[in-house]
Amino acid sequence: EAQVTQNPRYLITVTGKKLTVTCSQNMNHEYMSWYRQDPGLGLRQIYYSMNVEVTDKGDVPEGYKVSRKEKRNFPLILESPSPNQTSLYFCASRASGSYEQYFGPGTRLTVT
Amino acid sequence: QKEVEQNSGPLSVPEGAIASLNCTYSDRGSQSFFWYRQYSGKSPELIMFIYSNGDKEDGRFTAQLNKASQYVSLLIRDSQPSDSATYLCAPSPNFGNEKLTFGTGTRLTIIP
Repeated sequence: EAQVTQNPRYLITVTGKKLTVTCSQNMNHEYMSWYRQDPGLGLRQIYYSMNVEVTDKGDVPEGYKVSRKEKRNFPLILESPSPNQTSLYFCASRASGSYEQYFGPGTRLTVT
Repeated sequence: QKEVEQNSGPLSVPEGAIASLNCTYSDRGSQSFFWYRQYSGKSPELIMFIYSNGDKEDGRFTAQLNKASQYVSLLIRDSQPSDSATYLCAPSPNFGNEKLTFGTGTRLTIIP
């Protein structure tokens, strides 16, 4: 089944404790993105990648890191999480010849 | 930066009526647009893509794009309770990048 998977789906952590949210797609898509969604602010892009080893900032990259060492994986790294990073996070991917993005199921992160 | 504005709602529409959702944008260079639907607690899913002035119809959904006035709209005919969701619009990325800026979304409620 073609899909985008994210892990974990739910995470509660404390300020300053490094964490990684994984994202994996099995569709051989070139493009991948990370978004966060907050009430009243909508869906905002954090980082995107256009292929292996090619990443760039979205609208809200501060406090986040990404890497794209393999085509299928695009992890989101929070080196020192803070409460303002409490949010719902989505990973998405699409093929270079298509306009449709496929979203993962989301990761709800709470930083206390 | 592509600014996209949507009325956050909630927009309440009786079952069977036409729901009209609007989106305005500031970047005159935007050529094509997405409409995504997002059910509460779920990930967004693409429902329409429009790239030329005028109307595009797909079942009960019609997207309208007016580049001169810089707005894009989504009409849902014969609204059903299952259409109750948040609708997000976004201009497609420029060629050569994957930067995507969504509107904040309009929450639609269909009243039985």
